[in-house]
Amino acid sequence: GDSVTQMEGPVTLSEEAFLTINCTYTATGYPSLFWYVQYPGEGLQLLLKATKADDKGSNKGFEATYRKETTSFHLEKGSVQVSDSAVYFCASLRGGFKTIFGAGTRLFVKA
Amino acid sequence: DAGVIQSPRHEVTEMGQEVTLRCKPISGHDYLFWYRQTMMRGLELLIYFNNNVPIDDSGMPEDRFSAKMPNASFSTLKIQPSEPRDSAVYFCAAGPGAGNTIYFGEGSWLTVV
Repeated sequence: GDSVTQMEGPVTLSEEAFLTINCTYTATGYPSLFWYVQYPGEGLQLLLKATKADDKGSNKGFEATYRKETTSFHLEKGSVQVSDSAVYFCASLRGGFKTIFGAGTRLFVKA
Repeated sequence: DAGVIQSPRHEVTEMGQEVTLRCKPISGHDYLFWYRQTMMRGLELLIYFNNNVPIDDSGMPEDRFSAKMPNASFSTLKIQPSEPRDSAVYFCAAGPGAGNTIYFGEGSWLTVV
């Protein structure tokens, strides 16, 4: 079945550092791919998405590119802030309505 | 738009008691999902509805769990009897259709002692 694998956390960075959180997926066909973010005490909210190969999703300085050849959707940000501290979930959705979530990666950003 | 509204936000109950979690989805979103989040198991899909009809309940852990959606604006997740291992954050989420983003509520934080 479909699955999503993302790098284990926690990831600890200093403010203004470069962020990469790796995500790979397995699926038959071409799913839509998402990054969700969960701030402390809140539900998940969509950060960005891409629906086909080579699409780049971007929001709030975060970017991820849908790479069909490597089945990846890595999340990047050039300069993180303390306010980016959260848990980040990679997810895939193919055809139906059952979004598959990765295990989540916790990010701590130190001032 | 008020988003997905869940209640209660926090509940502490004793083992063996019945727990009812409530959800008001976003108007016009035909899909409703119940998820459970724990440190050990991450985010698990329990059940989802389309137009108030349960489509896939394969994630419901056991018969103690049940979910209903009597109308488009209300759903419940019930645990009877509750056990300490049910302690988790339960999220309700709504989506407008196939291939789309889903929108989460803020969660119900359940502790069973």
